[in-house]
Amino acid sequence: EPEVTQTPSHQVTQMGQEVILRCVPISNHLYFYWYRQILGQKVEFLVSFYNNEISEKSEIFDDQFSVERPDGSNFTLKIRSTKLEDSAMYFCASSFGLLLPNEQFFGPGTRLTVL
Amino acid sequence: AQKITQTQPGMFVQEKEAVTLDCTYDTSDPSYGLFWYKQPSSGEMIFLIYQGSYDQQNATEGRYSLNFQKARKSANLVISASQLGDSAMYFCAMRSSGGGADGLTFGKGTHLIIQP
Repeated sequence: EPEVTQTPSHQVTQMGQEVILRCVPISNHLYFYWYRQILGQKVEFLVSFYNNEISEKSEIFDDQFSVERPDGSNFTLKIRSTKLEDSAMYFCASSFGLLLPNEQFFGPGTRLTVL
Repeated sequence: AQKITQTQPGMFVQEKEAVTLDCTYDTSDPSYGLFWYKQPSSGEMIFLIYQGSYDQQNATEGRYSLNFQKARKSANLVISASQLGDSAMYFCAMRSSGGGADGLTFGKGTHLIIQP
């Protein structure tokens, strides 16, 4: 069964450093998403991406975040200058379409720890 | 703005019993979808079941069913014949069908523990 994959599973970085989180969405899906989950809290939407551009972004997704689809398979989230409060689990998700139901399938997550 | 409320932070249930996880929601959109996800201790998010706001019947997927009461704005997840492997966090989420509503809005989750 096709699945969303994410690398790395865990990343530790120093405050102020740039990190790139990588995702490979399900191959025939057209919409890609990033979510984050701070430890013990609910999952929060960051951004959606379609047709090589951002479709929607939340208030959390400020100028320090960027997304890119550098090739036909990868989808990345870059955090330019990490802060302590960026420590969280970051989930990539993908869906075939946007019309309901088109459920979003999540990857296993990348746990980011900022020291 | 949309909001999901899950009022049960934790639940203990005996194996083989049925369990109901509560979810209420708030939205002004006439067309929306409700989703339930399971998050085991390993951390991944697993899609379980979907209910559309205009669906006439409650959704069912194997041991999972959704008790959808539109007038009360509730979408409770029912797990029949619970198993030890059902122990996990369960999140209720929603999304509108309108434009600019790509992301899911999640509740805070319920931590379900199945006891032998």
